[in-house]
Parts: sequence; structure tokens; C-alpha cells
Amino acid sequence: SQQGEEDPQALSIQEGENATMNCSYKTSINNLQWYRQNSGRGLVHLILIRSNEREKHSGRLRVTLDTSKKSSSLLITASRAADTASYFCATEGGSEKLVFGKGTKLTVNP
Amino acid sequence: NAGVTQTPKFQVLKTGQSMTLQCAQDMNHNSMYWYRQDPGMGLRLIYYSASEGTTDKGEVPNGYNVSRLNKREFSLRLESAAPSQTSVYFCAIGAGTGVSQPQHFGDGTRLSIL
Repeated sequence: SQQGEEDPQALSIQEGENATMNCSYKTSINNLQWYRQNSGRGLVHLILIRSNEREKHSGRLRVTLDTSKKSSSLLITASRAADTASYFCATEGGSEKLVFGKGTKLTVNP
Repeated sequence: NAGVTQTPKFQVLKTGQSMTLQCAQDMNHNSMYWYRQDPGMGLRLIYYSASEGTTDKGEVPNGYNVSRLNKREFSLRLESAAPSQTSVYFCAIGAGTGVSQPQHFGDGTRLSIL
């Protein structure tokens, strides 16, 4: 059962540009998380945002949450080649489980 | 990834063979999870264990069994492997359950079933 869906599926930008990825979900949530996955590796947690938060920052990452629209966005500013990865949002799939979207594949060209 | 160790990293099986994927953690977290990742499907939860001694089914449990051997270890067993189980398997851990805590992932086991 897919809760979060990322958009776009793939994104290609030049180094130094900003990258924006979106996540839409269907049912009310308490929290939403973003993860990064480099090729051939496991997922790495980036940011957790709670339903009473509208925006959260971590270094070059900015996450917003709009509960009225059931959507979240992840902005990576001044992107680098090392940011090339797939990015996933994760939302609640029941009280004890996370449900992941299918991801956005970001390519940052040097 | 630091804290979660999966073995083996790669495995090729023939249809009908059995095998156990191992996961061990050194972060003293209560919750452990097994996911599979297929192209275009994202991650899907197979089984999870909210604490030592408990296990529960996830979204795609058919064809799998799990054992929470102790707080550190959570194994996934394929009793009779099928080509549809060709996938990358990830173990993850969490300090709590659900979305209230981040999950930490191992680097996966790449399993091919011929």
C-alpha cells in the first residue's frame, strides 16, 4: 500500500542549481521523513518533520510540509555531484510501520 | 552503514533452495525491519519486530519467515526460493516504531534466484 508518492520520478540538473522534489500522501499523518539512497547502498535518514511543523532545515536541505494539501517538498540548494542519489519520502503505514514512496532519482551533472 | 550489518552481500540461488539472510545491529535499538526493494516498486515491508520476542507481518510476507533471535539479531528466511523473490533485501532498525523515529539501514543483500 503506497502512502507517499514522489514527483518527479527523475530530475537532472547542473551543479550549483537547486533541486526540488515533492511528496504527496493520502491520509493524515503525524510525521513525515525523507531519506537518501546512493547507488548500491542502503537508505540514509535526512530529515523528520512533524505534522505541527511547516518547515525544517538541515544544512543545504529544506523540507516543507503542507498538511492541508497532504504534500511535502525537499529542496536541495547549491547542489553538488555528490548529491546524485535517489530520494524517498516515508509516511505512516499504521502505528508501527513506515511506508516509502517509489523515489525521485536525482542526477547532478558536474 | 554503521550500526547495521547484513550478510551475505550477494547470493545466487536456484529455485526451491532455502537460505537465511542475517541482520545484526550494534545500536541497541528495539525495532528491526526487513524490506525488499524492486525496480519501480520502492521499498516494501516484509516483516518487522517491534521488540525482542515479537514479530509481525508487513505488506509482502508470503514466502518468508523471520526470527528475532535476540535484541541484536533479526533473520529472514526463504524456505523455498522463487524467481519472484529476486530482489535487494534491506534490514533496518529504529529506536522506536513507526514514523516517530528515523530508521537506520544496512547496505543490503542482493539476491538472485534462477
